[in-house]
Amino acid sequence: QQQVKQSPQSLIVQKGGISIINCAYENTAFDYFPWYQQFPGKGPALLIAIRPDVSEKKEGRFTISFNKSAKQFSLHIMDSQPGDSATYFCAASKGPLDSSYKLIFGSGTRLLVRP
Amino acid sequence: KAGVTQTPRYLIKTRGQQVTLSCSPISGHRSVSWYQQTPGQGLQFLFEYFSETQRNKGNFPGRFSGRQFSNSRSEMNVSTLELGDSALYLCASSLEAAVPTGELFFGEGSRLTVL
Repeated sequence: QQQVKQSPQSLIVQKGGISIINCAYENTAFDYFPWYQQFPGKGPALLIAIRPDVSEKKEGRFTISFNKSAKQFSLHIMDSQPGDSATYFCAASKGPLDSSYKLIFGSGTRLLVRP
Repeated sequence: KAGVTQTPRYLIKTRGQQVTLSCSPISGHRSVSWYQQTPGQGLQFLFEYFSETQRNKGNFPGRFSGRQFSNSRSEMNVSTLELGDSALYLCASSLEAAVPTGELFFGEGSRLTVL
């Protein structure tokens, strides 16, 4: 119940295309779902995040779609650029009533955007 | 504003030795978390500290320990190193006093190689 399952493991997209990364979870206590972006040699950096009270959140070319009933959420990168080539991690955490103080990360998706 | 600083960035140890890694959080951040990143296991939660108190620990053996100082700086220690401890150790800080909601700011990590 603590897992967050992420797919695909790797993704190759042409410049200008749409990149889609999917995550699924089981624990309904999760109420915060961030996406992190990691470049080689760097630590992960928060990209965008969503709470279950909305079905979609958009920030520039990045959109999170959230399906509470299916317990799934996805990251869409529109007009993908070579500079988006990185590893993307979905994550989940529980609400403030829980004392776990931690993020559960997906296994990561290595995205390569070809020029 | 300076980011999360981790030292050392790279280190090589041999089996049986111990290692201490240091983390300086962003100024004003009082929560510090540690994660282990490996190709096989991904990002796994080690522990979280707030105001010098460990609030949670992940599923790691007792060889892994940490502490936080009054200035919020944190250290983690791994004793009796094993080959499987080779990993990127990431420190993250958060401004919030309560449960981190996913807005973690990661350092660039300390790359540990155990020979």
